[in-house]
Amino acid sequence: QQPVQSPQAVILREGEDAVINCSSSKALYSVHWYRQKHGEAPVFLMILLKGGEQKGHDKISASFNEKKQQSSLYLTASQLSYSGTYFCGTGRNRDDKIIFGKGTRLHILP
Amino acid sequence: EPEVTQTPSHQVTQMGQEVILRCVPISNHLYFYWYRQILGQKVEFLVSFYNNEISEKSEIFDDQFSVERPDGSNFTLKIRSTKLEDSAMYFCASSGTSGGPYEQYFGPGTRLTVT
Repeated sequence: QQPVQSPQAVILREGEDAVINCSSSKALYSVHWYRQKHGEAPVFLMILLKGGEQKGHDKISASFNEKKQQSSLYLTASQLSYSGTYFCGTGRNRDDKIIFGKGTRLHILP
Repeated sequence: EPEVTQTPSHQVTQMGQEVILRCVPISNHLYFYWYRQILGQKVEFLVSFYNNEISEKSEIFDDQFSVERPDGSNFTLKIRSTKLEDSAMYFCASSGTSGGPYEQYFGPGTRLTVT
């Protein structure tokens, strides 16, 4: 069963913050976040494990609430380069396939 | 930085023809995957491959599809008799050296157009 992402789309001005949420009805081992620009492959951002960890690099971070089976991706002080579609994906164990959500389209305006 | 490569980047074929999509995963990875993405839609899992055999496949991956790792480097997806609805972007991904969990790195994709 695919994870549910919200919102479906976000439009921001450069410098604003965004939060993208991902939830699953099933117990998760891992949550994967990818960004995809039009016509390109998904690019790996980060993976979070059960245990409720939080990860981040640069101005993009994410959390994973295992009890709620939810993950959130935080983009702070957004840059034009952050535009794209963000997909969360979930896995049941460490080498499991990724089941992707439908994506959240993020558009950053100058 | 090592990366997954895929060939061709774009293939146009007629309905009913066989196509083979090729991938070279990252060299020391152990797990291989094929995903597809119909234009404007989400990425969908097709099949995973480990230790020279399919470990899991989706309902999309019917008898028309097959995968092979013919040598130590290539990983191929064959579609025996293409249908119009097979038109999509096909991504290969690889992951896993030791330990875990494994980040999956995607190749640039092959755009398959069936006419």
